[in-house]
Amino acid sequence: KNEVEQSPQNLTAQEGEFITINCSYSVGISALHWLQQHPGGGIVSLFMLSSGKKKHGRLIATINIQEKHSSLHITASHPRDSAVYICAVLSGNTPLVFGKGTRLSVIA
Amino acid sequence: EAGVAQSPRYKIIEKRQSVAFWCNPISGHATLYWYQQILGQGPKLLIQFQNNGVVDDSQLPKDRFSAERLKGVDSTLKIQPAKLEDSAVYLCASSLAGPTGGYTFGSGTRLTVV
Repeated sequence: KNEVEQSPQNLTAQEGEFITINCSYSVGISALHWLQQHPGGGIVSLFMLSSGKKKHGRLIATINIQEKHSSLHITASHPRDSAVYICAVLSGNTPLVFGKGTRLSVIA
Repeated sequence: EAGVAQSPRYKIIEKRQSVAFWCNPISGHATLYWYQQILGQGPKLLIQFQNNGVVDDSQLPKDRFSAERLKGVDSTLKIQPAKLEDSAVYLCASSLAGPTGGYTFGSGTRLTVV
């Protein structure tokens, strides 16, 4: 079974800072998801990637398949970015395996 | 496109009571998932449906949890009787083409068992 580790567990940043959240996994995957979860509990899918890099607005996700590692970057962070960011990986046709999440707080 | 709808948003019940959650997936999404997310942890898959058939329910505590998707669209998840440790967010998600497709999650139902 794939083990997904995220770091850091908690992160506090000042508004405007560049933020990096890391995700490592133990077994080869076919795709990796970055998800955002707000305090109410709902989850929004940010990215699904299997190689390289994707960018959407101030968010950038990268993945290194050989190193089994992905990063989520937020540029010019804002208080509305405060949320839990979850990494989830897909291997073949097995269910998603989720990390425990990184709780981000951005302070104005 | 409308998202995945879940209700209720919040529910508080006493232990040993019953509770049911409802999910309406994105139109046309054949695959539907129920997840349980305990505070501080990532979501855990409870059950996966493909249309109205169960694909994976290996982590569903079948002595107290049940789920159905009778017409291959809406789904309900029931807990009977509830225990304190069932307090969690219950998330529904759907995808067009199984696990390899993109996922859309609902807003979740936050259950508190007292």
